[in-house]
Amino acid sequence: EPEVTQTPSHQVTQMGQEVILRCVPISNHLYFYWYRQILGQKVEFLVSFYNNEISEKSEIFDDQFSVERPDGSNFTLKIRSTKLEDSAMYFCASSEASRVLFFGEGSRLTVL
Amino acid sequence: GNSVTQMEGPVTLSEEAFLTINCTYTATGYPSLFWYVQYPGEGLQLLLKATKADDKGSNKGFEATYRKETTSFHLEKGSVQVSDSAVYFCALSFSSGSARQLTFGSGTQLTVLP
Repeated sequence: EPEVTQTPSHQVTQMGQEVILRCVPISNHLYFYWYRQILGQKVEFLVSFYNNEISEKSEIFDDQFSVERPDGSNFTLKIRSTKLEDSAMYFCASSEASRVLFFGEGSRLTVL
Repeated sequence: GNSVTQMEGPVTLSEEAFLTINCTYTATGYPSLFWYVQYPGEGLQLLLKATKADDKGSNKGFEATYRKETTSFHLEKGSVQVSDSAVYFCALSFSSGSARQLTFGSGTQLTVLP
């Protein structure tokens, strides 16, 4: 069964460092998303991406964040200068034109 | 804005007990409704969905009915198993626009004891 894969599964970084989280969406999907879940809190929408551009973003997705689809298969989330409060589980998801999102297993980011 | 409210956990049940996890939503219009499940150490998996009023989603013995009049989508299972232990998230989305943004509830931790 096709699945969304994410790397790394866990990353530890120092505050102020840049982090890139990688995702390989399901191959025939056209819509891509990043969500995050701070420990013990709700899963929150960050950004959606379609046709090589951001289609929606939340207020969380500020200038420190960027997304890219560099090579037609990967979908990356970059955090330019990490803060302590960026520590969370980051989920990538993809979908076809339907409303069903398929999620990856998540990348846990720990900022020290 | 749109929001989803779930019953607070954690919920602890014995095997073969009946499960209900309440979910209500606030939205302008008629969203699609979903239940996602997160097993320990894994990502979010779609459990079931309903796209219009009175639809019933079902999967793996779980059911939920889209109730427009009560803006609810309660999750039920007649006989839970230890393997059902997970966090359950209720969510909604709208079909308009190119994005399929999901709004999640806070999640309900379910533990099933043998």
